[in-house]
Amino acid sequence: AQSVAQPEDQVNVAEGNPLTVKCTYSVSGNPYLFWYVQYPNRGLQFLLKYITGDNLVKGSYGFEAEFNKSQTSFHLKKPSALVSDSALYFCAVSDHASGGSYIPTFGRGTSLIVHP
Amino acid sequence: DAGVTQSPTHLIKTRGQQVTLRCSPKSGHDTVSWYQQALGQGPQFIFQYYEEEERQRGNFPDRFSGHQFPNYSSELNVNALLLGDSALYLCASSLVALRNEQFFGPGTRLTVL
Repeated sequence: AQSVAQPEDQVNVAEGNPLTVKCTYSVSGNPYLFWYVQYPNRGLQFLLKYITGDNLVKGSYGFEAEFNKSQTSFHLKKPSALVSDSALYFCAVSDHASGGSYIPTFGRGTSLIVHP
Repeated sequence: DAGVTQSPTHLIKTRGQQVTLRCSPKSGHDTVSWYQQALGQGPQFIFQYYEEEERQRGNFPDRFSGHQFPNYSSELNVNALLLGDSALYLCASSLVALRNEQFFGPGTRLTVL
């Protein structure tokens, strides 16, 4: 079985400061990892993914994430937060081992609030 | 290039009724997945359709059923609605060869009274 944990329900950061949204995962095979963002009353928008290769993944809107296999983590980061980054962020994992379902399992989400 | 579209945007039903939600995939995509997102939760996988057949199913009762049409569009049907079925229902489309790259629609907000 695969699972995702987002240990923080809410992250508060001042505009211009760096931000981190944490994610840890559990999967039997090799993971595909994703970050999505959701604005109020909207669907999920893709930010970035890790499939293989470089552990530092760069995505949309200046976001990046670092894959750490030993810590089974995939934290989302941005060097300088914007008020417009305030939204709900979801981490997801799927298993691409042989026989894996490829169906992502999502975390519960972390609400990011960026204060002016 | 239109993305994933869903209809209706909002829907209010009463317990015991039946509901049908619709999804048109992103142009060129052949696979449609449905998710339920309850308030304060992440999306949970309901099922996935490819070539007009249900290919995978999550842990949802048989009250939840679906269909995919030859043009790849899809419907989600829920029978005998319960209060707990109130949620945002998300449709995601992808190519079967790139099943991990899912594009999500804006969702249908279902309220069961």
